[in-house]
Amino acid sequence: AAGVIQSPRHLIKEKRETATLKCYPIPRHDTVYWYQQGPGQDPQFLISFYEKMQSDKGSIPDRFSAQQFSDYHSELNMSSLELGDSALYFCASSSSGREETQYFGPGTRLLVL
Amino acid sequence: QQQVKQSPQSLIVQKGGISIINCAYENTAFDYFPWYQQFPGKGPALLIAIRPDVSEKKEGRFTISFNKSAKQFSLHIMDSQPGDSATYFCAARDNAGNMLTFGGGTRLMVKP
Repeated sequence: AAGVIQSPRHLIKEKRETATLKCYPIPRHDTVYWYQQGPGQDPQFLISFYEKMQSDKGSIPDRFSAQQFSDYHSELNMSSLELGDSALYFCASSSSGREETQYFGPGTRLLVL
Repeated sequence: QQQVKQSPQSLIVQKGGISIINCAYENTAFDYFPWYQQFPGKGPALLIAIRPDVSEKKEGRFTISFNKSAKQFSLHIMDSQPGDSATYFCAARDNAGNMLTFGGGTRLMVKP
């Protein structure tokens, strides 16, 4: 079965640089979620989109923005990167309706030097 | 402030034993409680989930017990195997949105 695809899988950036993470949801899933997981920590919800509209917003810094496109893929744009942004970034997807399970992708490991 | 509290942080169990992980919550608006398993460097994978109108759910070796009045739920892994060694997260979703709030995680090690 097709899973959530994230790219790139690994990313190394310098402080103050910009990064773009991409997420391709499971086919026919219309809702995308972004989570950030620091070392040894639990995933923290950042933001979600349903049918290309922002649906929920969590602890996402103002330096970050995200959007969902017409093909339902999503991009997380991170600017003015800080050392503390180094983490695993997960995308999850689900189909419409509140009853559906969130399926997580393999994550993008971001290292800010 | 952790909205979902998970314990223990780490757990060592002998092969064939029972692994028990507990979670507690305060937000009565939570209405869906999944458990995720995560291996190092991988994304969380759904194990099993429960809703508050059910007190117990079993899938294979995995069982969730849910106590609505106490606002607690737990994961039992029967006949634990070395391949079960991973980090387990409980989570909760409230009825106002779709985002998951995770517990702090339990690192399980099953010794052969």
